[in-house]
Amino acid sequence: ETGVTQTPRHLVMGMTNKKSLKCEQHLGHNAMYWYKQSAKKPLELMFVYNFKEQTENNSVPSRFSPECPNSSHLFLHLHTLQPEDSALYLCASSQGGGGPLSYEQYFGPGTRLTVT
Amino acid sequence: DAKTTQPNSMESNEEEPVHLPCNHSTISGTDYIHWYRQLPSQGPEYVIHGLTSNVNNRMASLAIAEDRKSSTLILHRATLRDAAVYYCILRDVAGGGSNYKLTFGKGTLLTVNP
Repeated sequence: ETGVTQTPRHLVMGMTNKKSLKCEQHLGHNAMYWYKQSAKKPLELMFVYNFKEQTENNSVPSRFSPECPNSSHLFLHLHTLQPEDSALYLCASSQGGGGPLSYEQYFGPGTRLTVT
Repeated sequence: DAKTTQPNSMESNEEEPVHLPCNHSTISGTDYIHWYRQLPSQGPEYVIHGLTSNVNNRMASLAIAEDRKSSTLILHRATLRDAAVYYCILRDVAGGGSNYKLTFGKGTLLTVNP
């Protein structure tokens, strides 16, 4: 148990569906992240939020829409996805501010997404 | 971000020490060396990080070469639970927004034999 929870753990959706992934951290952190891990590929950073402000968008297609309503919650809204978007989506958190405490990122267990 | 090079895979026996190497010949003065690991069906887990001096924590030790062009993660007594992919990552802490960025490579798949 890392203090970062993700729901759902598994999701199957059609290309025309709209769904959302949820991440919650119970660590008092101020920075939150979305990563994508495709089969046989390294983890790819998608988005970074620091103190609820988006500080990084790693050229992610607009069919992925993040939302960070507060420092404890992070959402990834999905719509009109493609089969190649099937992957493990991981959420992480860390202390914000860029100081030494931000060096450790704590990851959730991920949501395994299958797009049919 | 400066790149790292790790072996694709390594094997160890249970209760023996494991030395996982990482080369980072283009490391800059503001790059910290981070290690994460990912157990099967889990998200990555922070292991250790350092800048210049060797570091120890409850999970592992990090030995950093004097010229900082390479480092070694040391697991003192491998257990079956240590079987995972180990990632060596350089993180540049100079500047602003990219401070938070971790760029994962392919890592080293460690197999621990009973």
